[in-house]
Amino acid sequence: QQQVKQSPQSLIVQKGGISIINCAYENTAFDYFPWYQQFPGKGPALLIAIRPDVSEKKEGRFTISFNKSAKQFSLHIMDSQPGDSATYFCAAGDNAGNMLTFGGGTRLMVKP
Amino acid sequence: DAGVIQSPRHEVTEMGQEVTLRCKPISGHNSLFWYRQTMMRGLELLIYFNNNVPIDDSGMPEDRFSAKMPNASFSTLKIQPSEPRDSAVYFCASSLTTVLGEQYFGPGTRLTVT
Repeated sequence: QQQVKQSPQSLIVQKGGISIINCAYENTAFDYFPWYQQFPGKGPALLIAIRPDVSEKKEGRFTISFNKSAKQFSLHIMDSQPGDSATYFCAAGDNAGNMLTFGGGTRLMVKP
Repeated sequence: DAGVIQSPRHEVTEMGQEVTLRCKPISGHNSLFWYRQTMMRGLELLIYFNNNVPIDDSGMPEDRFSAKMPNASFSTLKIQPSEPRDSAVYFCASSLTTVLGEQYFGPGTRLTVT
């Protein structure tokens, strides 16, 4: 099974709040879990990524939490800002190939 | 580096016409991906090239779609004949295959088929 399920589809957060986006996967061969950020009219760009040898990775206000046993991972955006308003995609890949399977995307709106 | 370059940025065509989308990957990258993005289906991988060779084309929707990579610096995605349901944003991305990692996306081509 190659599917990566992402939720919620859309999210509205007040400025300064925490945005949380969740993803779940089936394929236990996946060993690379990136998050991409896409602004309107632009292509997706890598935001942060994690491998399953750690349970959490933090870069500034962005944190990935990874639960290998549950086959779930999530993106937390602390102190959310209006400039974070974008569509976020989780993805998963394995070293057997070089392909990523993307989740359905979450449209985040951070209100001032 | 200028990043991944795609052309045209916008394409409007009539049903039945041939459409060719173009991509120039980042110099030195040896993997190239074509994706299609729609509201209904999200971001779908169409085809993946490694060292100019098609590795996985299972995402190509129909025989109307074809992709080529004649050299390391150029790829095309062709739709012939085009249909209204092909309307979408098509992205090209490139990466280094040495270790599974970041894919760099181009700005996309917005295709409208009327």
